[in-house]
Amino acid sequence: DAGVTQSPTHLIKTRGQQVTLRCSPISGHKSVSWYQQVLGQGPQFIFQYYEKEERGRGNFPDRFSARQFPNYSSELNVNALLLGDSALYLCASSFGGGANYGYTFGSGTRLTVV
Amino acid sequence: GESVGLHLPTLSVQEGDNSIINCAYSNSASDYFIWYKQESGKGPQFIIDIRSNMDKRQGQRVTVLLNKTVKHLSLQIAATQPGDSAVYFCAENMAERGYNFNKFYFGSGTKLNVKP
Repeated sequence: DAGVTQSPTHLIKTRGQQVTLRCSPISGHKSVSWYQQVLGQGPQFIFQYYEKEERGRGNFPDRFSARQFPNYSSELNVNALLLGDSALYLCASSFGGGANYGYTFGSGTRLTVV
Repeated sequence: GESVGLHLPTLSVQEGDNSIINCAYSNSASDYFIWYKQESGKGPQFIIDIRSNMDKRQGQRVTVLLNKTVKHLSLQIAATQPGDSAVYFCAENMAERGYNFNKFYFGSGTKLNVKP
């Protein structure tokens, strides 16, 4: 069985540009969450989507947005990129959307903003 | 691959020894905890979880202990192997009042270095 897949694996963008990251959850999982991991730190929650609806949002500016499609895949969009947006962006899927469901993480997309 | 633990606390152990990694969590309302292992260039990998109605849970070569009084978690790895070298994170899931969504707070991580 395929795990959580993310694309692209690496990306280099220029300040001010926009980026779209993609995630396909494990088959049968209906919830996708996005995390940002800055080098040397733990992952930080950005969004959770369940059944195509936003369930939760972390402390990130409105430049960050996401959506979930009918097949439960998801996209994370970041507008007006800043140097500080350089990080590993992790997607995690879980079967349910409620509290106390563990995640399975993908390998992430390494975004570098120059 | 690129390291995710350049400035993290590091625990160095000899192969075959037992390892203990500690974590202080932040919220007394947190009711579900997970330990993750992250190798260089990869996403976090689930190791073991524990709910707040338990004090101890054992898996294969791993044990998690939860002390709610002092908000402390520990991960014990028996007979540590070179393949255990990675960054280890504890994550707490706080059921926020009025919300039912899945949000984990991650600690800053501990780098485990296993010497052969």
